[in-house]
Amino acid sequence: DTEVTQTPKHLVMGMTNKKSLKCEQHMGHRAMYWYKQKAKKPPELMFVYSYEKLSINESVPSRFSPECPNSSLLNLHLHALQPEDSALYLCASSQDRPGLYEQYFGPGTRLTVT
Amino acid sequence: GDSVTQMEGPVTLSEEAFLTINCTYTATGYPSLFWYVQYPGEGLQLLLKATKADDKGSNKGFEATYRKETTSFHLEKGSVQVSDSAVYFCALSDSAGNQFYFGTGTSLTVIP
Repeated sequence: DTEVTQTPKHLVMGMTNKKSLKCEQHMGHRAMYWYKQKAKKPPELMFVYSYEKLSINESVPSRFSPECPNSSLLNLHLHALQPEDSALYLCASSQDRPGLYEQYFGPGTRLTVT
Repeated sequence: GDSVTQMEGPVTLSEEAFLTINCTYTATGYPSLFWYVQYPGEGLQLLLKATKADDKGSNKGFEATYRKETTSFHLEKGSVQVSDSAVYFCALSDSAGNQFYFGTGTSLTVIP
């Protein structure tokens, strides 16, 4: 089973809302990632968790707050977003360290900020 | 630093045509190389990979060979189908296992 699941599939939120994106994997992977992808562009790395600890934060604004409650779950908490934050948010996981193994991606959450 | 360069798209082919999407890389050490595919409205799927020089990755009729002498990992398929229409991303993982780099993506449209 190489499945990464993400909820919700679509999310529309206002600039004053607080919402969360959820990601889950049951492959026993120890590295998990959040990416942001704009239309017709490659994914941009936001955060990496390795063994449930934040190991990489790519200078992401504080209105995005990641959380890794356990080795299978990854959340992205959203607050006071801007319209330019509208994008596809992808979660991924890999067996271990970020570059050492292939990453498996979820289907993404399509976020629209109004 | 490490990087991946993909051929510019979009690419439009007729069904059953031969496909090549070029990918070259810059890296120190011995990176692993990957091709991912993204169908419309979906996440990325791992298509194939190669972890050392001269390795050939293959899946669903697609192939790519890790060429260290030319620092390339070109994607090929002998006969494309309409269902292959998607965006293809070449990717590299550095040999230290610290980072993952994506190319800019190549959009492929196959027409009947």
